[in-house]
Amino acid sequence: EAEVAQSPRYKITEKSQAVAFWCDPISGHATLYWYRQILGQGPELLVQFQDESVVDDSQLPKDRFSAERLKGVDSTLKIQPAELGDSAMYLCASSLVGQGYNEQFFGPGTRLTVL
Amino acid sequence: AQSVTQLGSHVSVSEGALVLLRCNYSSSVPPYLFWYVQYPNQGLQLLLKYTSAATLVKGINGFEAEFKKSETSFHLTKPSAHMSDAAEYFCAVSEERASGSRLTFGEGTQLTVNP
Repeated sequence: EAEVAQSPRYKITEKSQAVAFWCDPISGHATLYWYRQILGQGPELLVQFQDESVVDDSQLPKDRFSAERLKGVDSTLKIQPAELGDSAMYLCASSLVGQGYNEQFFGPGTRLTVL
Repeated sequence: AQSVTQLGSHVSVSEGALVLLRCNYSSSVPPYLFWYVQYPNQGLQLLLKYTSAATLVKGINGFEAEFKKSETSFHLTKPSAHMSDAAEYFCAVSEERASGSRLTFGEGTQLTVNP
């Protein structure tokens, strides 16, 4: 069964360091999403891609976060510099197209701890 | 903007008892609604979705939900809880925009199943 892959699964870093997360969506899925999930809360959308284009990054803290999906397939989310408040689960999801009735398939997530 | 409210951050039931997880939404247009389940340190898995077809939606693992427009609710139920149902459950509403759809999640309900 096709799955969304993410790496690493866990990342511990010190504040002010740079971190990067990788996501490989299900083959053929044009839409890719990055979410941040703070412990005890629901996921919050950070950025949405349609193929290689960003269609929504309104909630992305652009002073320190960046995301790219250069060839419209896999994607990288970067934080530089990391802050204590960035400790969270970072989830990647993909869907066939960006329509509301389409299921989003989630990866296992990357648990980030900033010390 | 659309929003979701999940009543009760923690629900505890006995094995074999009815499970009822509550979700109310706000939306200016007919919504697409979803229930996801999340096990510890894992991504989200779709349980079921409402896409304006039947108001009673059946999902995986014996779960179902009923869309009630008059009450703006989409409560999740399961007749008989199993130990393996212990997890966190998220209700979500899809907002359609020109740039594509966007999922807004509730805060989640942690379900505990007691033997």
